[in-house]
Amino acid sequence: EIVLTQSPATLSLSPGERATLSCGASQSVSSSYLAWYQQKPGLAPRLLIYDASSRATGIPDRFSGSGSGTDFTLTISRLEPEDFAVYYCQQYGSSQLTFGGGTKVEIK
Amino acid sequence: EVQLVESGGGLVQPGGSLRLSCAASGFTFSSYWMHWVRQAPGKGLVWVSRINSDGSSTSYADSVKGRFTISRDNAKNTLYLQMNSLRAEDTAVYYCAREPGPGIVKDYFDYWGQGTLVTVSS
Repeated sequence: EIVLTQSPATLSLSPGERATLSCGASQSVSSSYLAWYQQKPGLAPRLLIYDASSRATGIPDRFSGSGSGTDFTLTISRLEPEDFAVYYCQQYGSSQLTFGGGTKVEIK
Repeated sequence: EVQLVESGGGLVQPGGSLRLSCAASGFTFSSYWMHWVRQAPGKGLVWVSRINSDGSSTSYADSVKGRFTISRDNAKNTLYLQMNSLRAEDTAVYYCAREPGPGIVKDYFDYWGQGTLVTVSS
């Protein structure tokens, strides 16, 4: 099973600032099969990024993904008030799908 | 509009059983692989199970293998999760989720239901 470790656990930032979230894998993620989701309290997750760097339909271009192998990054270029939430990475390069533990982006 | 609506959650005693349903609409259900993902209260997301479009192939997380069974009825546009021998650690919100297919066999999720809460407690 591929273990995904997200860091930091919590990111305290102000609106307008840049957010950089990391997701590290215990072994190489095949074909960069990595997705990012946003989840707000009481709601289901929302797909942001797939294949490490492709934005899902309707996702603003302030969200971008990068990385390959074992190191992946989600960047939010300028935080909007609606971006404060928990973010999860997920790998689908192996048959046993796994998620990271999440990064909470909170208002400073 | 794609909609996934889960039902069937509730309170069950340890060792008991429960069947979850996920009613799909707004897309050709029979063409898509489907999954169950759970989230314990205050915790992260955990993948549970997947089923292919015609129901002929399934897979499970090790933590539920042998206890949970995923199935689907394409005529009714409904996904199921039969949960047996339930344990306290199975307490979670259970989401059904859709893969982006058809033709794109990649296990990420472009649509999610709102979730149904399963509580295992005596």
